[in-house]
Amino acid sequence: DIQMTQSPSTLSASVGDRVTITCRANQSISSWLAWYQQKPGKPPNLLIYKASSLGSGVPSRFSGSGSGTEFTLTISSLQPDDFATYYCQHYYSYAWTFGQGTKVEIK
Amino acid sequence: QVQLVESGGGVVQPGRSLRLSCVASGFTFSSYGMHWVRQSPGKGLEWMAVISHDGKNKYYVDSVKGRFTISRDNSKNTLYLQMNSLTADDTAVYYCAKHRVGVTVFGVAPKGPTDVWGHGTAVTVSS
Repeated sequence: DIQMTQSPSTLSASVGDRVTITCRANQSISSWLAWYQQKPGKPPNLLIYKASSLGSGVPSRFSGSGSGTEFTLTISSLQPDDFATYYCQHYYSYAWTFGQGTKVEIK
Repeated sequence: QVQLVESGGGVVQPGRSLRLSCVASGFTFSSYGMHWVRQSPGKGLEWMAVISHDGKNKYYVDSVKGRFTISRDNSKNTLYLQMNSLTADDTAVYYCAKHRVGVTVFGVAPKGPTDVWGHGTAVTVSS
């Protein structure tokens, strides 16, 4: 199976900060990568698909980039609603796998 | 609106079985692949299984192959997960999720992640 590794595991930031989360695959997955946001007690919400396409209704402060094995999720100006855990996930081939998650906390 | 509602979770003894259901509404269920994903308490997400729109193709993560079976009834807009030989490691919240893109007129299912998830049903395996 393809392994996905996210960094950092935890990130402390303030409202208005620019935040970047990295996701690496142990083999090329082209651009078949998604990013999800999850808040406690809720299901994940799709933010980005195909590495850089914005999901439906997702604010434009979220953006994704990368291809091959290295990807990033950027929040241009962190808002109070953005404190959550973020997961990357490949869908290059079955079995899909997720990164271990990055928790964005209030600094 | 698009909605997925899971049910069937609960507390079950090790070695026993459980069947989860996921009722879909607000979209043409028979045109979309469907997935099960689980999340163990305080842990990350684990993709479990997928079934094609017509039920003909199924894939599983290695950890559940031979124990879990994904199926669907398009006449009832319902997805299922039959879980057998349960162990404590199967304790988790189980989510059903819809493939983002439906099958094309040529019967092809384009690559895509999941875009809508249910709120999950909790399964606890304990004696």
